[in-house]
Amino acid sequence: KAGVTQTPRYLIKTRGQQVTLSCSPISGHRSVSWYQQTPGQGLQFLFEYFSETQRNKGNFPGRFSGRQFSNSRSEMNVSTLELGDSALYLCASRLGAAAEAFFGQGTRLTVV
Amino acid sequence: QQQVKQSPQSLIVQKGGISIINCAYENTAFDYFPWYQQFPGKGPALLIAIRPDVSEKKEGRFTISFNKSAKQFSLHIMDSQPGDSATYFCAAGAGGTSYGKLTFGQGTILTVHP
Repeated sequence: KAGVTQTPRYLIKTRGQQVTLSCSPISGHRSVSWYQQTPGQGLQFLFEYFSETQRNKGNFPGRFSGRQFSNSRSEMNVSTLELGDSALYLCASRLGAAAEAFFGQGTRLTVV
Repeated sequence: QQQVKQSPQSLIVQKGGISIINCAYENTAFDYFPWYQQFPGKGPALLIAIRPDVSEKKEGRFTISFNKSAKQFSLHIMDSQPGDSATYFCAAGAGGTSYGKLTFGQGTILTVHP
């Protein structure tokens, strides 16, 4: 059974640009959550999508947005990139109401 | 009130020893407490999880101890091995539709010397 797949694995962007990250959850999982991981702030929750609807949202500025498609795949978008957005962005999927969350390998975003 | 505090930040143990990592929380709505293991360049992997209705859960060499009244929980790694060297995160989740929003501790870097 395939795990959570995130693409691309690595990205280098310039300050002011925008970026889109993709996450394919485990087959059958309908919940997709996004987290930002940095050495200083640790793992911080961005948002969760379930059945194409945003269900929970963390404390991040509006430059961070996401969406989920009917096949449960999710994308995350960051506009007007700042140097501080450099981080590992992780996606986690869950099966319906189950609590167990399974993470992908992440997308390493570097903003220069 | 949403914080999960984890200690120590780093831990060095000898092969065969016991590794102990502690976490404390404040939000009494939390009812799910997982531990994740993360190796460099990889995403966090679910190790073991516990709910407040039990005080201890064991899976192989990994044990979670849970103290509901103190709002604390800990991970014990018995017979620690060099392959256990990784960063460990505790987390907490509230019930129902909020399980998709986990609150993580700051992480503990574990080094097991051979």
